[in-house]
Amino acid sequence: DAGITQSPRYKITETGRQVTLMCHQTWSHSYMFWYRQDLGHGLRLIYYSAAADITDKGEVPDGYVVSRSKTENFPLTLESATRSQTSVYFCASKTSGYEQYFGPGTRLTVT
Amino acid sequence: KQEVTQIPAALSVPEGENLVLNCSFTDSAIYNLQWFRQDPGKGLTSLLLIQSSQREQTSGRLNASLDKSSGRSTLYIAASQPGDSATYLCAVRGSGAGSYQLTFGKGTKLSVIP
Repeated sequence: DAGITQSPRYKITETGRQVTLMCHQTWSHSYMFWYRQDLGHGLRLIYYSAAADITDKGEVPDGYVVSRSKTENFPLTLESATRSQTSVYFCASKTSGYEQYFGPGTRLTVT
Repeated sequence: KQEVTQIPAALSVPEGENLVLNCSFTDSAIYNLQWFRQDPGKGLTSLLLIQSSQREQTSGRLNASLDKSSGRSTLYIAASQPGDSATYLCAVRGSGAGSYQLTFGKGTKLSVIP
């Protein structure tokens, strides 16, 4: 399927566990982004990547790790999940100068 | 730090009305502004993107305007329909080098009553 997909769509994990959220896009967009959406805060940028092997921090990067070995994939890892990381996570991609396209989101609950 | 505000937070209108959603931002040095729609439990759908050099963009019943100097944008929806019910988000991208980050408002939740 063309577009941007995220997996899993729903995840429940325990405090302290490592969790990886996957993001895949089929457009060969150079830029990819991870956001989290929380009530009262709106969407906030966690990390972004301008190309394969190039990543940079956004507004709220603490507790997260990203990698981008291939243009089409941009996984987000929570190294040791905390309850404050319960959120809805959105991946997005874009080409230079144009609009961002968002995936369907992953709802993560940390117990 | 860029801040984006959307007023009102919620809006309820009868079907068929024309309506305006407002977005304001504190730093006028923007590259572009994007309006999104978000349905409950879903991702974001891009509606319109306005580059900083543009004044407005139109798509069907939607018209977005941008006044960069005053830090304001409006989204006009003509002849509203129940299917327009959703949360509408405004986001701005800064114009600094390497500034790819979108700063979002908290959204306006629109309900169109049949």
